[in-house]
Amino acid sequence: DQQVKQNSPSLSVQEGRISILNCDYTNSMFDYFLWYKKYPAEGPTFLISISSIKDKNEDGRFTVFLNKSAKHLSLHIVPSQPGDSAVYFCAASEIYNFNKFYFGSGTKLNVKP
Amino acid sequence: DTGVSQDPRHKITKRGQNVTFRCDPISEHNRLYWYRQTLGQGPEFLTYFQNEAQLEKSRLLSDRFSAERPKGSFSTLEIQRTEQGDSAMYLCASSHPARDVGETQYFGPGTRLLVL
Repeated sequence: DQQVKQNSPSLSVQEGRISILNCDYTNSMFDYFLWYKKYPAEGPTFLISISSIKDKNEDGRFTVFLNKSAKHLSLHIVPSQPGDSAVYFCAASEIYNFNKFYFGSGTKLNVKP
Repeated sequence: DTGVSQDPRHKITKRGQNVTFRCDPISEHNRLYWYRQTLGQGPEFLTYFQNEAQLEKSRLLSDRFSAERPKGSFSTLEIQRTEQGDSAMYLCASSHPARDVGETQYFGPGTRLLVL
């Protein structure tokens, strides 16, 4: 039973526009959320994180939004660049078991020049 | 480069053979994790070490799998009597205890295993 879900396997966006990647979770004990980016033949690279005490965290072109009541988080990339083309995974950990990450199945982002 | 390193990057083996993978974490990180990723899925947690102690093992880690971290630095993951279903990317990650909520795990490049 997947506790973290990314329902869009792929997303295509024009360069310069906004990319919005979505993630839903079912476990109310999750209190820390992260986004990772993965290029082919490489391991996931940490992008940005947010704890449950916040609803927004921003780092340059990347912003993560957390809606705890809806159990939903999203990653906004503005403006999108061709180098952002990769698979994006959201991950979550529990408040009392923070060492174990649960990952979604990923969304493949393609940013067209 | 002070990131997480894994060796080998690729491994092809025949069913029934044993394989061993190595992970070297970021030097100041005392926590080390193993994950498995299959095609079209996100990484799945296998096991976790704090220093040399293995503190949690997933149900995915059958008796054919064993992981060690003898001196609290590098770790090895061994798969005995490999099966075709073991074919996957094996990822290692490390982290340092966070002073506040949440820890970030930093991943290595992975070892891609193909069992023929």
